[in-house]
Amino acid sequence: DADVTQTPRNRITKTGKRIMLECSQTKGHDRMYWYRQDPGLGLRLIYYSFDVKDINKGEISDGYSVSRQAQAKFSLSLESAIPNQTALYFCATSDSRAMNTEAFFGQGTRLTVV
Amino acid sequence: AQSVTQLGSHVSVSEGALVLLRCNYSSSVPPYLFWYVQYPNQGLQLLLKYTSAATLVKGINGFEAEFKKSETSFHLTKPSAHMSDAAEYFCAVSGAGNNRKLIWGLGTSLAVNP
Repeated sequence: DADVTQTPRNRITKTGKRIMLECSQTKGHDRMYWYRQDPGLGLRLIYYSFDVKDINKGEISDGYSVSRQAQAKFSLSLESAIPNQTALYFCATSDSRAMNTEAFFGQGTRLTVV
Repeated sequence: AQSVTQLGSHVSVSEGALVLLRCNYSSSVPPYLFWYVQYPNQGLQLLLKYTSAATLVKGINGFEAEFKKSETSFHLTKPSAHMSDAAEYFCAVSGAGNNRKLIWGLGTSLAVNP
């Protein structure tokens, strides 16, 4: 089983719908991240959480919200999806006890908003 | 503040040729540096990392990178390209400290021609 699991892997939704992307990890890491990937724009940080009680906005948080339900679970919600939120979304984890901030990624969720 | 610049969004090489993917960084603190690879329809996986030990870092799949402080560079190389190396490659930097996060380059797409 993957260390970082994202569900669903693919999703098509309509404009205005609420959608939740889920992420769970078995690595025991305290830090979790949500990124969005668009062609030519690299990875952009949406939200990050350094522990269950610590949630922070990233560079592109507008239109998104998150919930850290447990150390192992971090979900991303689009309250009212719009077409420009069509992208590949990645969840990642890291361990604050490590000397470096190496991140471990899930397989991604491809979201299409029509 | 930290930043990463990857020179060349697309690089094309012939099978068996040298692979050179360029990464320059800016950091006000001693950096940790990373190269990640993303194969089609997959998440990102770590190729190699520099964490202030040896300046020449060896990674998986025959890749290596050299940290050059004077040039603020961390270029990725492989002596002989294989078809299976075709992927997107990302360089990232982080600094020390409790709130360190990864700062990402925009990525370089590597094509390997037969």
